[in-house]
Amino acid sequence: AQSVTQLGSHVSVSEGALVLLRCNYSSSVPPYLFWYVQYPNQGLQLLLKYTSAATLVKGINGFEAEFKKSETSFHLTKPSAHMSDAAEYFCAVKTQGGSARQLTFGSGTQLTVLP
Amino acid sequence: ETGVTQTPRHLVMGMTNKKSLKCEQHLGHNAMYWYKQSAKKPLELMFVYSLEERVENNSVPSRFSPECPNSSHLFLHLHTLQPEDSALYLCASSLNPAGQGYTEAFFGQGTRLTVV
Repeated sequence: AQSVTQLGSHVSVSEGALVLLRCNYSSSVPPYLFWYVQYPNQGLQLLLKYTSAATLVKGINGFEAEFKKSETSFHLTKPSAHMSDAAEYFCAVKTQGGSARQLTFGSGTQLTVLP
Repeated sequence: ETGVTQTPRHLVMGMTNKKSLKCEQHLGHNAMYWYKQSAKKPLELMFVYSLEERVENNSVPSRFSPECPNSSHLFLHLHTLQPEDSALYLCASSLNPAGQGYTEAFFGQGTRLTVV
């Protein structure tokens, strides 16, 4: 079985400050890992993905995440927050080689950016 | 038109109504999904279709009935819903070559359903 835990359902940062959204996963086999972003009344948009290549993954909008096997973590970071980054962020895990259905989402973290 | 398109974007229906949600993908994917997103809850996977066959039904009540007539279209037929079924319903698609490997799921913008 696999699971995802996102620490902190709400995170607030000032504009220009570092963004750090935490994700820890549990998987018995090597995982694929994803971060998605959801703006109000929109669907989910892929930010970045880890598929067992480089452990540091760069995504869209200046976000990046680092896969740390020893810590079973895949935290999302951005050096400088922008007002447009305010949204909900979801971490997701899928076991490699698994069937289409085995994608598990975390509960989400709402990011607020303060002026 | 590209990506995953869902219609309608908003739907209000009474508990005795019958309605359908539509999803269309133009990405050449071979798997399609319905998710339910309720306030304060994680995304719930409802149904998965792979190569037009339903491969998963996560204990969804029978008042929700999916249909996948081809690899590009997915429907969710609704009847005699309850107020607790009010939520954002998201459709997604992905490419799963020969059942192995995986590409990321692409999501539609969702249908905001309100049951009154």
